[in-house]
Amino acid sequence: EVQLVETGGGLIQPGGSLRLSCAASGFTVSSNYMTWVRQAPGKGLEWVSVIFSGGNTYSPDSVKGRFTISRDHSKNMVYLQMNSLRAEDTAVYYCARVTVTKTGAFDIWGQGTMVIVAS
Amino acid sequence: DIQMTQSPSSLSASVGDRVTITCQASQDISNYLNWYQQKPGKAPKLLIYAASNLQTGVPSRFSGSGSGTDFTFTITNLQPEDIATYYCQHHDNFLFTFGPGTKVDIK
Repeated sequence: EVQLVETGGGLIQPGGSLRLSCAASGFTVSSNYMTWVRQAPGKGLEWVSVIFSGGNTYSPDSVKGRFTISRDHSKNMVYLQMNSLRAEDTAVYYCARVTVTKTGAFDIWGQGTMVIVAS
Repeated sequence: DIQMTQSPSSLSASVGDRVTITCQASQDISNYLNWYQQKPGKAPKLLIYAASNLQTGVPSRFSGSGSGTDFTFTITNLQPEDIATYYCQHHDNFLFTFGPGTKVDIK
C-alpha cells in the first residue's frame, strides 16, 4: 500500500529546533519529488519545502534558512529540520509526494503531525 | 512570484445543486493547476490535475476546466459528503502555491 506517515511533532519553545520524519511505503522517495506542506490552525495550506529526485531542494522565503528538507534512501524516509522556530510556525505539517507528470500535483499525503511553538 | 486567488471564499448550496469555484492566477500558467478537497481534520485529497484531469478514483461529479489565468472547478449534483474546503494549487519550476481556499457548506 502506498502511504506516508509523519512523526516528530510536539510542543517546542520559540527559538527551538525540531525534526519531523516522514516514512514512505509502497514507493521510493528518492525516485520522486517529496514535499512538506503546513496548515496553521484555521488557515489555508502553505507549501514549506521540496526535494527533487536529483537532490535539489527549494523553500519559500518564509522558511528559507530555517527549514531544511532531506531524505534517507536506505530508510525510505523524508525529513524536515526546523530551526529558530517561531510562534507563526505552529501548524499541522503534512508530507506529500509530488507527481511531476501531473503538473506538480501532490497525489499522496500523510495524516499530518502537529507542531506547537509556544513558551 | 505567481499569486493565486479563489472565489468565493465560502458558499452554501443545497444537495443536488451545481457548485462552481473559480481560481485565477496572476499570470499565464498554462494548465499547471490542480484542485484538492480537504475535509475537517483530514489531509487534503487530490481531485483534479492539469486543470481538467480527474484523479483516479474520484467521482465524475467533480470536474475542472480552464487554462492560462482563469480556471473553474465544478461539483455537479452536490452531495452531503462534499462538505469541505477546496483549494487550487500551481507548480512553477521551483515553487508551489496554493489558493486561499473555498469552504463549501450544505444549505
